[in-house]
Amino acid sequence: GQNIDQPTEMTATEGAIVQINCTYQTSGFNGLFWYQQHAGEAPTFLSYNVLDGLEEKGRFSSFLSRSKGYSYLLLKELQMKDSASYLCAVLDSNYQLIWGAGTKLIIKP
Amino acid sequence: IAGITQAPTSQILAAGRRMTLRCTQDMRHNAMYWYRQDLGLGLRLIHYSNTAGTTGKGEVPDGYSVSRANTDDFPLTLASAVPSQTSVYFCASSDSGQGEAFFGQGTRLTVV
Repeated sequence: GQNIDQPTEMTATEGAIVQINCTYQTSGFNGLFWYQQHAGEAPTFLSYNVLDGLEEKGRFSSFLSRSKGYSYLLLKELQMKDSASYLCAVLDSNYQLIWGAGTKLIIKP
Repeated sequence: IAGITQAPTSQILAAGRRMTLRCTQDMRHNAMYWYRQDLGLGLRLIHYSNTAGTTGKGEVPDGYSVSRANTDDFPLTLASAVPSQTSVYFCASSDSGQGEAFFGQGTRLTVV
């Protein structure tokens, strides 16, 4: 079966750096997405990786290793507004998005 | 309308009743999706449509039906609601089915 694993919850301090990991086993691979979802709101797009390596976008970076079935989202200079759930999703061979359950990130002052 | 809009925002529904959740997008995206999101689980695909006039079943289609008469609208119908269909429902769209998905604000449905 297809599976995406992420930690359920993480806690970090304002101003610090946090890395959220995602491992996947899917039938085919056509890219990996990270989304942010604040409580009670819709998911919003953060990043997309289809080739191995690091993609940087401001305070957020996303890394992909296709051979290891592994990605991480790196958040720098954490702000209180970064408190949210972070969803990892893989586009499989049928171009369907397979979603992880999400990682709830709690930021403490 | 800007982006993708769902209606209603929330609803309490008696078991056995029929309900249609509405979804409209103005981005002229070909692909549209319906997901449900339950605590502790990832977004699960109910039905999808790759283009107007076509629909397909996702991971959890039982008890739900969809139609795609035109590019903009993708309603989801619960023929006879059951308590296990209590969830938050998200409609989404993407340009080609391969890129970034845009989500509506969600519909919180409670079946009692």
